[in-house]
Amino acid sequence: EVQLVESGGGLAQPGGSLRLSCAASGFTFSDYFMHWVRQAPGKGLVWVSHISNDGSTKNYGDSVKGRFTISRDNAKNTLYLQMLSLSVEDTAIYYCARDVSGASDFWGQGTPVTVSS
Amino acid sequence: SYKLTQPPSVSVSPGQTATISCSGDKLGDENACWYQQMPGQSPVLVIYQNTKRPSGIPERFSGSNSGDTATLTISGTQAIDEADYFCQAWDSSTSSHVFGPGTRVTVL
Repeated sequence: EVQLVESGGGLAQPGGSLRLSCAASGFTFSDYFMHWVRQAPGKGLVWVSHISNDGSTKNYGDSVKGRFTISRDNAKNTLYLQMLSLSVEDTAIYYCARDVSGASDFWGQGTPVTVSS
Repeated sequence: SYKLTQPPSVSVSPGQTATISCSGDKLGDENACWYQQMPGQSPVLVIYQNTKRPSGIPERFSGSNSGDTATLTISGTQAIDEADYFCQAWDSSTSSHVFGPGTRVTVL
């Protein structure tokens, strides 16, 4: 069974940082691109970033470019999102998701991030 | 930046057909996909590569994509289909994925 379990969310101050993790199981992690997607309270889905299966290709949405860094450790079956210079606009549930042909076929349950002073 | 447009809401009677549009410049040149999201839950992929249904998705869900518009069709809509639906496509000009704003489907 495919499972994606996010962790690392919580409360951060404006200008602060957080590192999210996504532990994958039930599939060959190193075969798949992976995504981070976020959803602010009561709002729609926003694509954050994706990374290729070997980690060589990374792309970011405009709202996080230069502040967030996606990475992965295929030996640990884990996806990461390092978030710097956080602002209140980054408050959201952050989901990791597995890619299939440009779509996300499995999603984690999400980890909430709140940026507030 | 690339923008996708969806109607905010669609209402449908049980057993009837719900049609949700997703519009974007030359959207038909890219693969579109669709997600269903129930309140408080993670999104579920219902259509990918314009027309394909993942395993476990009922046949009443179908998709198309041509010109500037992708369409999700729910045939014989059931009460359990009441949810938010989001389209998504790849923006090759910025190497980024883009989501539509979402459509709330209400089964009256």
